[in-house]
Amino acid sequence: GQQVMQIPQYQHVQEGEDFTTYCNSSTTLSNIQWYKQRPGGHPVFLIQLVKSGEVKKQKRLTFQFGEAKKNSSLHITATQTTDVGTYFCAGDPDKLSFGAGTTVTVRA
Amino acid sequence: GAVVSQHPSWVICKSGTSVKIECRSLDFQATTMFWYRQFPKQSLMLMATSNEGSKATYEQGVEKDKFLINHASLTLSTLTVTSAHPEDSSFYICSASNQRGGLETQYFGPGTRLLVL
Repeated sequence: GQQVMQIPQYQHVQEGEDFTTYCNSSTTLSNIQWYKQRPGGHPVFLIQLVKSGEVKKQKRLTFQFGEAKKNSSLHITATQTTDVGTYFCAGDPDKLSFGAGTTVTVRA
Repeated sequence: GAVVSQHPSWVICKSGTSVKIECRSLDFQATTMFWYRQFPKQSLMLMATSNEGSKATYEQGVEKDKFLINHASLTLSTLTVTSAHPEDSSFYICSASNQRGGLETQYFGPGTRLLVL
């Protein structure tokens, strides 16, 4: 079964607002990766976190890896219409396991 | 970033025919390639992992005789859906990694949409 759980499944955001999507694993991960898939497109790598407690930023996106390396979060500030898509986390206790994704829609 | 191509991007075929999908890493040597399928509004489901020059490792529930994988070179892997049926209709995506075991970043191809009539 799926080892990586992601919540929420859907996120409808007002343009300009912030939101966070969470990723949880039942086992300790060696690293966690985040991908974005635009509607009709394929997953595109965003970032990889390796260290416990690691925080990385990409412009308006902030990625965090939990201290226990079992959870991660993606926080987007000042959401824009270009942020529309599905965000997947993927972790690998032994092989890469994808979460179900958080599908983000934005209302202008 | 690394580029992975997939061909064809769209396939429509009759039930019972076989379909071959190619996945190529264009600017790096991929020791490991992965094949996923994705149903609408669902996550990626790993079908199999293939290492160059060795047999693919299939995930539980994936029929190896139905989904034939060949990884003949460090830049090419193929997935053949044999005797395709309508339930095989899906979005098939390959990814490539330049690390054994795929613990490094996976670069995804653009995907192949298969429709079996």
